[in-house]
Amino acid sequence: EEQLVESGGGLVQPGGSLRLSCVASAFTFKTYWMNWVRQAPGKGLEWVANIKPDGSDKYYVDSVKGRFTISRDNAKNSLYLQMNSLGAEDTAVYYCARDRSWNYGAFDIWGQGRMVIVSS
Amino acid sequence: QSALTQPPSASGSPGQSVTISCTGTSSDVGDVGGYDYVSWYQQRPGKAPKLMIYEVTKRPSGVPDRFSGSKSGNTASLTVSGLQADDEADYYCSSYAGSNNYVFGTGTKVTVL
Repeated sequence: EEQLVESGGGLVQPGGSLRLSCVASAFTFKTYWMNWVRQAPGKGLEWVANIKPDGSDKYYVDSVKGRFTISRDNAKNSLYLQMNSLGAEDTAVYYCARDRSWNYGAFDIWGQGRMVIVSS
Repeated sequence: QSALTQPPSASGSPGQSVTISCTGTSSDVGDVGGYDYVSWYQQRPGKAPKLMIYEVTKRPSGVPDRFSGSKSGNTASLTVSGLQADDEADYYCSSYAGSNNYVFGTGTKVTVL
């Protein structure tokens, strides 16, 4: 079964850093654009970042540019999100997701989600 | 990029149909470079979203044909026919907005009466 399993997250103080990981299995990870999507408590979904299959191109929503870094290790079938200078507005469940339509936003496989809470 | 507009709620009795709208702009839901990249997701409480429709009308393997998508101008729609209790969930639309930007809808809670 194709799946994504996330790890990381938790409670962090404002201004702190966290790293999320996402491990893929049962599909050819290195051929897909991969994404991070987040959902604040009780709110809707928000696309955060994506990365090209070979890691050469990366894109971010404006609100995280300069603070978050998406990366991947195709040898380990792994996707990462390094989050720095975290603020309360970053509190959310973070999902990794595969794009089945190259990079046109059809997210067909999702991780289980990891909660990130930014609070003092 | 502003969120796409969806009605907060929709409802129907078992066996009926419910249609959810998703309104954007010519920069997202409307043709983006001549392509149609609207998706719909179902999300149950505490769970990850599930892709139900992509590229406006296509259904991934395993999604019942009771779910269908369409688009007219800057508004996309998801129709759930033959409503079942299991269809009760939140539904989100999303669209590619060009230049590697993606926008989601505000979400619609579907209730099966």
